Amino acid sequence: KAGVTQTPRYLIKTRGQQVTLSCSPISGHRSVSWYQQTPGQGLQFLFEYFSETQRNKGNFPGRFSGRQFSNSRSEMNVSTLELGDSALYLCASSYGTSGSGETQYFGPGTRLLVL
Amino acid sequence: EDQVTQSPEALRLQEGESSSLNCSYTVSGLRGLFWYRQDPGKGPEFLFTLYSAGEEKEKERLKATLTKKESFLHITAPKPEDSATYLCAVQAQHQGAQKLVFGQGTRLTINP
Repeated sequence: KAGVTQTPRYLIKTRGQQVTLSCSPISGHRSVSWYQQTPGQGLQFLFEYFSETQRNKGNFPGRFSGRQFSNSRSEMNVSTLELGDSALYLCASSYGTSGSGETQYFGPGTRLLVL
Repeated sequence: EDQVTQSPEALRLQEGESSSLNCSYTVSGLRGLFWYRQDPGKGPEFLFTLYSAGEEKEKERLKATLTKKESFLHITAPKPEDSATYLCAVQAQHQGAQKLVFGQGTRLTINP
């Protein structure tokens, strides 16, 4: 069974630009969560989508947004990029049907560098 | 506020030298505690899920245990390929859905 895939793997942008990252979950998984990983803050929850609806959101500004499509694939968008947005963005998928306690499987991440 | 604290931050061991990593948590209603392994530049790789105090799970040289306040990841006779950062995460009832709160990780180095 194929794992979680994320594209692109690496991205370089300049301040003020916007970026869209993509995530394809494991086949059959309907929940997709996004996390930001930085050396200083570690792994922090951004948001979770299930059946095309945002189910939970972390403490990030409105510049961070996402969506999920009917095939469970998800995208996240960051507008007006800031230097502090440089990070590894990780996507995780799970069945999501029980609402909690399910194991999340992570993708390889997208490394974003903002100059 | 839900908190997860991992110790030590970094640990160096000789090949074959067993040890334990600690994960202390403060959470209102634990739904699950998760252990992941992360290699540099890669996404976290799932190791174990624990749901209730007293639960134990094993996989090769790794064994995870859970109490009401902490979890331990025991590494028996480690090999150099066990070198990685080990992450602990909790899912709390009040957070809802799939949100995981992570610790800062323990960076483990196994010298041959």
